[in-house]
Amino acid sequence: QSALTQPRSVSGSPGQSVTISCSGTSSDVGGYDYVSWYQQHPDKAPRVMIYDVTKRPSGVPDRFSGSRSGSTASLTISGLKAEDEADYYCSSYADSYTWVFGGGTKLTVL
Amino acid sequence: QVQLQESGPGLVKPSETLSLTCAVSGFSISSNYYWGWIRQPPGKGLEWIGSFFHGRGTYYNPSLKSRVTILQDTSKNQLSLKLSSVTAADTAVYYCVALNFYVVFWGQGTPVTASS
Repeated sequence: QSALTQPRSVSGSPGQSVTISCSGTSSDVGGYDYVSWYQQHPDKAPRVMIYDVTKRPSGVPDRFSGSRSGSTASLTISGLKAEDEADYYCSSYADSYTWVFGGGTKLTVL
Repeated sequence: QVQLQESGPGLVKPSETLSLTCAVSGFSISSNYYWGWIRQPPGKGLEWIGSFFHGRGTYYNPSLKSRVTILQDTSKNQLSLKLSSVTAADTAVYYCVALNFYVVFWGQGTPVTASS
């Protein structure tokens, strides 16, 4: 079981859009419709932003969207706001009732 | 409202066993979710440790499987984590979680340092 691959950092200006990628394999991202994305601000517990690849929990702005192509999932944040600056983690359910996370991406709002 | 509250020693000596407990309120650990643990070393990413689904089985991260035990106490609605032979690399914030193929509920997290 290897960690999913995310870029270490991304950045964008307020109002712009950014996309964070999450690369896995057919044993995780590409094999199950259970990719999720988490936002984490410093010294806080993570918060789910996207689950089941594309679904948004209630209370999450529709500026956040998820997608997947093959074994690579993506999180897109449109209309960037200062409050979106945080660390973002992808995760996937994987073979044999396990879960795997990405290494995390630091989003900087310029 | 579901609440998960972790507790346990904040300091563990190298080679000893880390033991944490998670008290769950507002939902039964006997139903509907996978319950388990996730950790985050300082300045690093999240790592799934293991989970159980009541009546089915308990599943562990292969990289930790030889050292980890997760137990459930349905009478107290609690789960526990034991991690043996700890080293400095086990220093992390440990989160108790409920999963439905994604983490639905998080505890506040409890920091544990492995140091002499």
